[in-house]
Amino acid sequence: QKEVEQNSGPLSVPEGAIASLNCTYSDRGSQSFFWYRQYSGKSPELIMFIYSNGDKEDGRFTAQLNKASQYVSLLIRDSQPSDSATYLCAVRSYSGAGSYQLTFGKGTKLSVIP
Amino acid sequence: NAGVTQTPKFQVLKTGQSMTLQCAQDMNHNSMYWYRQDPGMGLRLIYYSASEGTTDKGEVPNGYNVSRLNKREFSLRLESAAPSQTSVYFCASSENVDSPLHFGNGTRLTVT
Repeated sequence: QKEVEQNSGPLSVPEGAIASLNCTYSDRGSQSFFWYRQYSGKSPELIMFIYSNGDKEDGRFTAQLNKASQYVSLLIRDSQPSDSATYLCAVRSYSGAGSYQLTFGKGTKLSVIP
Repeated sequence: NAGVTQTPKFQVLKTGQSMTLQCAQDMNHNSMYWYRQDPGMGLRLIYYSASEGTTDKGEVPNGYNVSRLNKREFSLRLESAAPSQTSVYFCASSENVDSPLHFGNGTRLTVT
């Protein structure tokens, strides 16, 4: 059973600070990694994806991947109250016969305090 | 561009009733998925369709059936609803099986 672990939070940060969200995964062969944001009562929306070791930046968001440590993180710079949401980490692994398995973590709830 | 459209948005069923959740995407995506989301359990895959004409079981398929009607549409059927199927159901699509998922707005289902 492939597992994706996230701290459930809540993670509280002051407005303007950097929020750091972390995710670990069990399958060393995992190939692609996604971060989704989900507002309460809404559907998940894709924020970023990363396939290679290192950092990937998109505006105020940076995804960091370390395959050796089986660790992926999401940094949110200059956090805003509108960033308050649950952040879902998802990890895709090849499961054989042309099939891929996408496993979601249970999410970390972020609260940005004005 | 509507993306992924799910109907209905809300539904209340009595135990034993049946219903079909509809999903359509207009992004010309090959792959489509059905997830359920329950408090403390996260998103769990029910069924998916890697491409038109194929369907496969996910993590929690029992009590459900699916139909990939055409490239755009992927429906989820509950033949005999049970209270354990009370959940929020999300349909999603992706360009291919290794591409990011795009989710619909969800269906909140209550089975009494």
